Formats: sequence, C-alpha cells, structure tokens
Amino acid sequence: GQNIDQPTEMTATEGAIVQINCTYQTSGFNGLFWYQQHAGEAPTFLSYNVLDGLEEKGRFSSFLSRSKGYSYLLLKELQMKDSASYLCAVRDDKIIFGKGTRLHILP
Amino acid sequence: NAGVMQNPRHLVRRRGQEARLRCSPMKGHSHVYWYRQLPEEGLKFMVYLQKENIIDESGMPKERFSAEFPKEGPSILRIQQVVRGDSAAYFCASSPPEAGMNTGELFFGEGSRLTVL
Repeated sequence: GQNIDQPTEMTATEGAIVQINCTYQTSGFNGLFWYQQHAGEAPTFLSYNVLDGLEEKGRFSSFLSRSKGYSYLLLKELQMKDSASYLCAVRDDKIIFGKGTRLHILP
Repeated sequence: NAGVMQNPRHLVRRRGQEARLRCSPMKGHSHVYWYRQLPEEGLKFMVYLQKENIIDESGMPKERFSAEFPKEGPSILRIQQVVRGDSAAYFCASSPPEAGMNTGELFFGEGSRLTVL
C-alpha cells in the first residue's frame, strides 16, 4: 500500500523558522516533491529530492532520508504570504500526495 | 509558453447530468494527471494518462468516471450521472515526456470546480 503522513496544521510566527515533516511508505520510490497551495489556487512546485540530503532554495530547504522514509520542508524568515498548505508528494510509478499541512503565520 | 489550461473553471450540474472537464497540457508535455480535491483536503490521485494511453487509473471510481487523452485535443475527464458527492475541485497537471528519471515536476492548471445541486 501507499501512505504519506504529514501534520494537519501548524502555526508559526512571522520571521521565525518552521519545519514540516512528512513520512511515507510506498511500494517504490523515484523522488519526493513539496508543493505550496494557497486557498483556492493551484499547487506550485517548491522542491524535489531524490537522493538523501538537503536541497536549499532561498528561504526554503527540503531534506530527504530514503532509509527512514522521511522528509521535511524547512521555511526560514517566515512571511505572512507563506500562510498556505504545504503538500508532500512521492513518486513511484505515479505521483501521490499527502493530505497537506495548513500553515498559519501569526504577526 | 502557455501553462496548463483547464476549462471550465466553474461548472454547476444537477444530479443525474453529465460533467465534462477539459485539460490542455503545457506545450511539449505528453503526460497528464487528474486529481480530485475536497475543501481543506489533499489531492487525491485519479488517473495518469499519456496520449492515447491510460497508464494508471487505480484512483478512478469504477462507475460513472472515465478519462481520455486523445492524439489531438485536450484530455477529458467525464463524470456521468453526477451525484452531490462529486462536488469538488478537479485539478489537472502535466509533465514532459523526459520526466522519467528526472524531476518529473508537475505543472498544475487552475482547476475546475464542480458543484452538483
């Protein structure tokens, strides 16, 4: 079977750092994605990991441990516009999404 | 380069009618995914298609739902005899053919929001 777990909701303060975790159990693995989705809008691509380690892209970083079936998305210097849902997705023979983590940013 | 185009953006149907949702992938993309999203929930996989070929339809309900991606024209998700539970946002995403061992990043359309009365 396939299962992707991430927290339902998180709250953080503007200017702070937040880490959103994702664990997965899939029959195969060919990469892990993070997407951002604002309410009522389409998801947009944030990051991709296929090898273990950290990928950094500006204020956002994503980490992968294939042996642990674990990834996290790290958001630094949080801004109000970062209030959104963050979707973890895994590709084996197709791309499957977790249920998403709604991130609330407090001023 | 135009993005993924979905239409209609909003569709209202009465129970028992048919809903037909269209998706034109980005230029050069030959793979299309359809996902369903209920309010404040994640994206639920429905079907993965290549031109003239269904690769994986394991997420499609066995009755009333069908999808195609013809050689010419957009991909179409068809829902027959709609029921209230079909009300949702339906997102289409496309990826390029060389995505097999590369990032395989999906590019999403803006979604089609179906309301069944």
